[in-house]
Amino acid sequence: EADIYQTPRYLVIGTGKKITLECSQTMGHDKMYWYQQDPGMELHLIHYSYGVNSTEKGDLSSESTVSRIRTEHFPLTLESARPSHTSQYLCASSVGFGADEQFFGPGTRLTVL
Amino acid sequence: GQQLNQSPQSMFIQEGEDVSMNCTSSSIFNTWLWYKQEPGEGPVLLIALYKAGELTSNGRLTAQFGITRKDSFLNISASIPSDVGIYFCAGLTDSWGKLQFGAGTQVVVTP
Repeated sequence: EADIYQTPRYLVIGTGKKITLECSQTMGHDKMYWYQQDPGMELHLIHYSYGVNSTEKGDLSSESTVSRIRTEHFPLTLESARPSHTSQYLCASSVGFGADEQFFGPGTRLTVL
Repeated sequence: GQQLNQSPQSMFIQEGEDVSMNCTSSSIFNTWLWYKQEPGEGPVLLIALYKAGELTSNGRLTAQFGITRKDSFLNISASIPSDVGIYFCAGLTDSWGKLQFGAGTQVVVTP
């Protein structure tokens, strides 16, 4: 069973606020990912990391930023939230090369008013 | 980037029926993954396929990695109400781990 956690699960916030979405995994996985998903739609990769101090932008442009200071922790930050940022944000992790299954957290549903 | 075409987009079936869905691409994949997502939750991995022609089962689920490496299918036998959800295929072209996801197949099971 995958041990990957996201907080908060739900967040309603006003425009212009700074927010940080937390993601932690206890599996020691090197690779971590952030996806953005609108309800019932496909997943879009917005950030990923190969390990500590490694961060890369994904296929979908995003105004968010990420950091990877510790293996188990991969937070996502929005400096100034806007209504267009309303979406579900999913965090995932995988062991690394040779074992490609990604395990997902439960997601954070963000609503920006 | 590569596009995965997943079909059907949705299925409304009666309990006990079998369900079949597939994903196709113009690109070759080294890995196919099938996930299920329930409302308000993250996707849960159902089956992973690593070799062309591979046929793998997980309970009532069976998935196959196409011989051409450009397609995969998922079957659910004898559906039950808890099979309701959105099923996503995902393909991996290289070891860098950037999955390409299909648009999903929504399955609705009626008693």
